[in-house]
Amino acid sequence: NAGVTQTPKFQVLKTGQSMTLQCAQDMNHEYMSWYRQDPGMGLRLIHYSVGAGITDQGEVPNGYNVSRSTTEDFPLRLLSAAPSQTSVYFCASSYLDFRGYTFGSGTRLTVV
Amino acid sequence: SQQGEEDPQALSIQEGENATMNCSYKTSINNLQWYRQNSGRGLVHLILIRSNEREKHSGRLRVTLDTSKKSSSLLITASRAADTASYFCATDHYGNNRLAFGKGNQVVVIP
Repeated sequence: NAGVTQTPKFQVLKTGQSMTLQCAQDMNHEYMSWYRQDPGMGLRLIHYSVGAGITDQGEVPNGYNVSRSTTEDFPLRLLSAAPSQTSVYFCASSYLDFRGYTFGSGTRLTVV
Repeated sequence: SQQGEEDPQALSIQEGENATMNCSYKTSINNLQWYRQNSGRGLVHLILIRSNEREKHSGRLRVTLDTSKKSSSLLITASRAADTASYFCATDHYGNNRLAFGKGNQVVVIP
């Protein structure tokens, strides 16, 4: 039972490049979400999904896209990276009858 | 913002002492949760308390919730060096799993 797996763990991008952060969970959780964590800012919700085929925006969605074609996977796409997107990104999942999130170990992204 | 705000922001204690952190929020909640984050790692869920509950325990952790004051506290008893971490409160205002996280509270337990 791997829990929530995020890849890659580290990434450096140049401004304007695109990339996809991967997130997979094997707990059959309906709910999945992406957060970014910046120093002194806590965690801010980017996008979330309550099931396959259903996604919605969170607090800071601009510059990011998501899709949920399967229960297990919830990739986050950066369309055109900007230095302001330098952050640590966390994927989290839970059951809909909420019992608390399970977090991945994070992806540390630097945009230069 | 509806984010919870932890207080104090940083806490340094001796091993064996108790550590108390507080969290306040601005609007009514469905539930409130506490998470721990060790340096460079993801967050780990510690405890969830619902709006109709006043106190919950889990091992050495005790969480209280005062909805009239819109505040919660996390007590770690008999702290250990392994408790050194950042602790976050998170509020679910609508019962829809959308959590608003506070900025975190750094706790250092000195052996």
